[in-house]
Order: sequence, then structure tokens, then C-alpha cells
Amino acid sequence: ETVLTQSPGTLSLSPGERATLSCRASQSVSSNYLAWYQQKPGQAPRLLIYGASSRATGVPDRFSGSGSGTDFTLTISRLEPEDCAVYYCQQYGVSPRWTFGQGTKVEIK
Amino acid sequence: QVQLQESGPGLVKPSQTLSLTCTVSGGSISSADYYWNWIRQSPGKGLEWIGYIYYSGNTYYSPSLKDRVTISVDTSKNQFSLKLTSVTSADTAVYFCARGEERWLTFDYWGQGTLVTVSS
Repeated sequence: ETVLTQSPGTLSLSPGERATLSCRASQSVSSNYLAWYQQKPGQAPRLLIYGASSRATGVPDRFSGSGSGTDFTLTISRLEPEDCAVYYCQQYGVSPRWTFGQGTKVEIK
Repeated sequence: QVQLQESGPGLVKPSQTLSLTCTVSGGSISSADYYWNWIRQSPGKGLEWIGYIYYSGNTYYSPSLKDRVTISVDTSKNQFSLKLTSVTSADTAVYFCARGEERWLTFDYWGQGTLVTVSS
């Protein structure tokens, strides 16, 4: 099983600042199959990034993804108040097919 | 716009069977481009993928749950369902249904989720 470890656990930043979220895999992940989701309280996760770096439909361009192999990053270039959420990375592998990281909570000061 | 909606009991007794249904609207469950998933979220284990089904009825389950899980589909009703047997308190979670897309293997549409509590 591929374990995804996200850091930091919580990120507290001011509006307009840059947020950098890390996702590290226990073994190499195909870039095609690394995604990021945003989850706000009481809501389902929302797909933000697929294929490690492609934005899903309707996602603002302040969100970007990068990385390969075992190290992936989600960057929010200029934080907006509505970006307050928990962000999860997700990978597709052999078994159990899909796994998620434990999440990074982004707080806006 | 595709929408998914979970339904089912919010309280299940230990050792009994958890049963949930997901109703899909705004799109056909019979599309060969998608697969239909159950995912759960608990404070202790985070997001956990449970399994999927294709419209054809082909299924694949997480190895950790496969002995207790059955996912079925009813194309005439545009619904798919989850059964999880012999539940314990560890199965208490918010259960989501989600559409999976085949190109990038992501979950692009989700239901709002339903809390299922296992308690006597």
C-alpha cells in the first residue's frame, strides 16, 4: 500500500500570502494519478488538481500543482479567505487502488 | 450537472448490516467512461476508499473491507448501493458516493455524504 504523508498538519497564513502544501509518497507514484482535493466543513471533497498539475474545471489559477515520483506540492499563490479548508492528496496505485493523505488544514489569519 | 445523493439509515446496531443507496441525476450511470464509488471518512482513519462498480456490474473492493462489502447497481433507477456486514463502532463514518473518471482516475463528482453511526 502506498502511504501518502502530508505536511504541515496545519498552515496559518494571512490573505494574499503564498501557501505551500507537501504530499510525500512511501513509493513512487505516477504523476498521471496524483490528485488534490479541497474540503470545507460539512462538504464533500472537491477535485482541484489531477495529473499532479492540471487544474480541474472552474478551479482558480491561484491553485497549482507540481512534483513527481514521491514528492508533490500544492501551491496557493495568493490566499483568499474562501481558501480556508482541508486539502488532501490522493493517488491511484496497485492495491488498495486509491489512497488519500491525512490532510493539511489551511487557516486564514 | 451530475449530482449524487446518498440515502439510508443513520444509525446501525453493532453486528448488523449497513445499507446505503446513491442516486445519480444529471447523467447516466450506464456510461462506460465512469465507475461508481463508495468512500468513507472517519476522524480516526481519514478518507478511505471502499470500492467501485461499473454499470456492467463489475466490482472491485478495498482488500481491507472486501470480506464484508457488496456494491450493486440498478441501472433502471440510476442507482448504486453499498452493503457492509458485521459492522462495529470502527465503521462509524461519513459515507460518500462518488463518480470516478477513467482518464486520470480521480473522483470528479461527490455526494454530500451521510453520517452512519454504529451504536446499540
